Amino acid sequence: SQQGEEDPQALSIQEGENATMNCSYKTSINNLQWYRQNSGRGLVHLILIRSNEREKHSGRLRVTLDTSKKSSSLLITASRAADTASYFCATIGTDSWGKLQFGAGTQVVVTP
Amino acid sequence: DVKVTQSSRYLVKRTGEKVFLECVQDMDHENMFWYRQDPGLGLRLIYFSYDVKMKEKGDIPEGYSVSREKKERFSLILESASTNQTSMYLCASSSGGIIYEQYFGPGTRLTVT
Repeated sequence: SQQGEEDPQALSIQEGENATMNCSYKTSINNLQWYRQNSGRGLVHLILIRSNEREKHSGRLRVTLDTSKKSSSLLITASRAADTASYFCATIGTDSWGKLQFGAGTQVVVTP
Repeated sequence: DVKVTQSSRYLVKRTGEKVFLECVQDMDHENMFWYRQDPGLGLRLIYFSYDVKMKEKGDIPEGYSVSREKKERFSLILESASTNQTSMYLCASSSGGIIYEQYFGPGTRLTVT
């Protein structure tokens, strides 16, 4: 079953702009993770935020988590053409050992 | 550098054929996973394994089986391929316990004609 749902489904921005995408989920979670997938390739882990954390940073990435609203956001600042990819949120539920539930993803295109 | 490899990037098979997809990881991870990815549906878990010879069904196990005879290798088997199994197949691995991060292979794009 699909736990996370990303919004928007697609995003087109210019280099230097910020990109924001959101993820909503349905059940209680242990942690939430964001992954990136370049076209036709495997996924790469970007960042993890635990259920007791509200915000986390990693380089140009900023993730927030609001467990009361069951939602998360990923912000990419000062985007680059190399950020063009699909971005997926994935959750681990408190009652679903080790299994990541992925959303359908947000496709981001950054034009030079 | 951590690595998950999959036996083929592209595969074309005929309906009714038996198909083997192989995945190997070099990180000594306990957990291994098989997903399929279809447009608009994200990744869906087919099977996973948390130890050698152990397997658990994921969300969509019908039409698939798996084998894990060695810790580093996890195989996905389509006993009798059908056209609705045309998809991208992704293998992943992670260390034991609560999942903090999964490492993915490059994927196998399977076409069943």
